[in-house]
Amino acid sequence: GAGVSQSPSNKVTEKGKDVELRCDPISGHTALYWYRQSLGQGLEFLIYFQGNSAPDKSGLPSDRFSAERTGGSVSTLTIQRTQQEDSAVYLCASSSRGRLGTDTQYFGPGTRLTVL
Amino acid sequence: AQSVTQPDIHITVSEGASLELRCNYSYGATPYLFWYVQSPGQGLQLLLKYFSGDTLVQSIKGFEAEFKRSQSSFNLRKPSVHWSDAAEYFCAVGGDGNNRLAFGKGNQVVVIP
Repeated sequence: GAGVSQSPSNKVTEKGKDVELRCDPISGHTALYWYRQSLGQGLEFLIYFQGNSAPDKSGLPSDRFSAERTGGSVSTLTIQRTQQEDSAVYLCASSSRGRLGTDTQYFGPGTRLTVL
Repeated sequence: AQSVTQPDIHITVSEGASLELRCNYSYGATPYLFWYVQSPGQGLQLLLKYFSGDTLVQSIKGFEAEFKRSQSSFNLRKPSVHWSDAAEYFCAVGGDGNNRLAFGKGNQVVVIP
């Protein structure tokens, strides 16, 4: 079946602009995760959604970052007033039950964000 | 908080030679361990996982990894590498009730003829 998809695949923006990144999880997966992959920092957890529960936002680096998940499916990660240090690859993953101990996270191809 | 250490960031190996990538984790409870592989332009793809049971797990691509609790390790091995194994490999740890994966910095594997 279809895997996790993300759009756009590449995004170039100017410092100070807002950007929106989209993630379509695997159909039927109730849990959705956002990670950031940057040089020198590796892969960092950002936010986690599980069903209708309140999201775990503990990994968001600043209040310029926010995310929502509509209808328990598609998610949008928004970065306001982008800074150059926001340049990274943003990865989305989904899993079937969201209880990490018994679930495997499946990743999308990522969105490469470049802030000029 | 959990953490993962992957030494030897860049590894060059000859085609046909053996490969071992080291992974050490820090986690206070029962760990759930993963190896992901990322090829250029590709997303992370699951290679192996350990949740419980047999401590030696194997993948269809000829890789294996062994969980050693006493050493807090989950090293990845392949007896004979192929040119297509050139990629970046990430070890990750999660745990029961914890919703996030902690990743190591990754191993960039280069395969030479």
